[in-house]
Amino acid sequence: AQSVTQLGSHVSVSEGALVLLRCNYSSSVPPYLFWYVQYPNQGLQLLLKYTSAATLVKGINGFEAEFKKSETSFHLTKPSAHMSDAAEYFCAVTKGRGANNLFFGTGTRLTVIP
Amino acid sequence: DADVTQTPRNRITKTGKRIMLECSQTKGHDRMYWYRQDPGLGLRLIYYSFDVKDINKGEISDGYSVSRQAQAKFSLSLESAIPNQTALYFCATSDTLAGGQYFGPGTRLLVL
Repeated sequence: AQSVTQLGSHVSVSEGALVLLRCNYSSSVPPYLFWYVQYPNQGLQLLLKYTSAATLVKGINGFEAEFKKSETSFHLTKPSAHMSDAAEYFCAVTKGRGANNLFFGTGTRLTVIP
Repeated sequence: DADVTQTPRNRITKTGKRIMLECSQTKGHDRMYWYRQDPGLGLRLIYYSFDVKDINKGEISDGYSVSRQAQAKFSLSLESAIPNQTALYFCATSDTLAGGQYFGPGTRLLVL
């Protein structure tokens, strides 16, 4: 069965510091992978996605993620945190590329300290 | 105007009441989804539909039903609401799975 594990339900970084949010997946077949962001009182917004092209994927707001098959990981990074990055982040995975739906991780809440 | 809209945005109801949450989209997508979000659990899929004649159960469909009235409309019903259905409910749409899903703003439901 496929699953997504997000290590750390809460992450705090100082403004200007590196942001690293971890996501590991399990899938017996090549997946599609996604990162979503949820700002307070809003729905989820797609940040970026991996669909078998380049393994380093760039998204909106300066975020990027690297697909590492050997580590079954898809960690989200941003070189310099901004106050506006404070939100909850969700990693999601499909069960193969003909799958019908996404499976979400439990989320990581990012706090940015001034 | 928003591409995916949900009504109502907030709802308080009592145990045993029937309630319907509505979702409309203007993205022209065939695929529509209903999720619930609970703190610490992420999002869990309730039902999904790939077209008007195609309805599928998700991970947690017990206690819920859906109706796909048109390509653009997908409603979620709680036939007899219970307190553990208190949650944040999201509707989403997609064109293809690889394209990602587009979410509505959510409906916050409280069952007393």
